Amino acid sequence: DQQVKQNSPSLSVQEGRISILNCDYTNSMFDYFLWYKKYPAEGPTFLISISSIKDKNEDGRFTVFLNKSAKHLSLHIVPSQPGDSAVYFCAASIQAGTALIFGKGTTLSVSS
Amino acid sequence: EAQVTQNPRYLITVTGKKLTVTCSQNMNHEYMSWYRQDPGLGLRQIYYSMNVEVTDKGDVPEGYKVSRKEKRNFPLILESPSPNQTSLYFCATVPRTGGNTEAFFGQGTRLTVV
Repeated sequence: DQQVKQNSPSLSVQEGRISILNCDYTNSMFDYFLWYKKYPAEGPTFLISISSIKDKNEDGRFTVFLNKSAKHLSLHIVPSQPGDSAVYFCAASIQAGTALIFGKGTTLSVSS
Repeated sequence: EAQVTQNPRYLITVTGKKLTVTCSQNMNHEYMSWYRQDPGLGLRQIYYSMNVEVTDKGDVPEGYKVSRKEKRNFPLILESPSPNQTSLYFCATVPRTGGNTEAFFGQGTRLTVV
C-alpha cells in the first residue's frame, strides 16, 4: 500500500505561471514532509520541507502547504521558470531525519 | 566541499556475479541509506544505517546486503545479482536523526544486470 501518493505523473506549465504539485499521504504518524527535485543523471536535491506543526513554509519562489486533516500537501512554484523543469518527489518521515517514504514523482515541464 | 560519492556511476554485469557499490560521505553524517529508483515506482529504501555497526532493512531489502564499519562508508553489496535488480541506485545521508534535516543524495549508480 502506497503511503505517499503523487497522483499526477506529469504537469505542463507556461513560464511565469504558477505550478502546483500535489501529494497525498495515508500515514497519520508522518511528522515531517519534504520536496525533492531531480534532474536526469543527477541525484535528488532538497528543495523545501515542512514540519507537521506548521501549515505553510515559504522559500523564495517555493511554498509548501500542509493540510493535516486532509493528509495533503502541495508545492507552489511562482513564477515558474524553464529551469524548474524536473521530476519532483514528495517525501515523508515518521521520525524526522530518518527513513524517507517517497512518492512516485511528478514530471514538471515549464515552457517558455 | 560536502559530498556523497558513489562508485561506480554505471555498471553492467552478469547474473550471479557479486558486486559492490560504494558510498562515501565527507560530512560526518550519522544516518546513511540506500534507495533504488524504478520507473513508475519512485524511490524505495533498501537499507539504512543509524550509525556505525547499526543497520536495518528498508522496504525492499531482498537480494542486498550492507555494512557500516566506519562512519563515512556504507557499501551496498549484491551477492548474486539478478535482472530484477537492474535499477538506478542512490545513497543518501542525513546529519543526525531526530532533527528536521533533509537527506543529501549521491549522484546515482545505474546498474544493469544481464
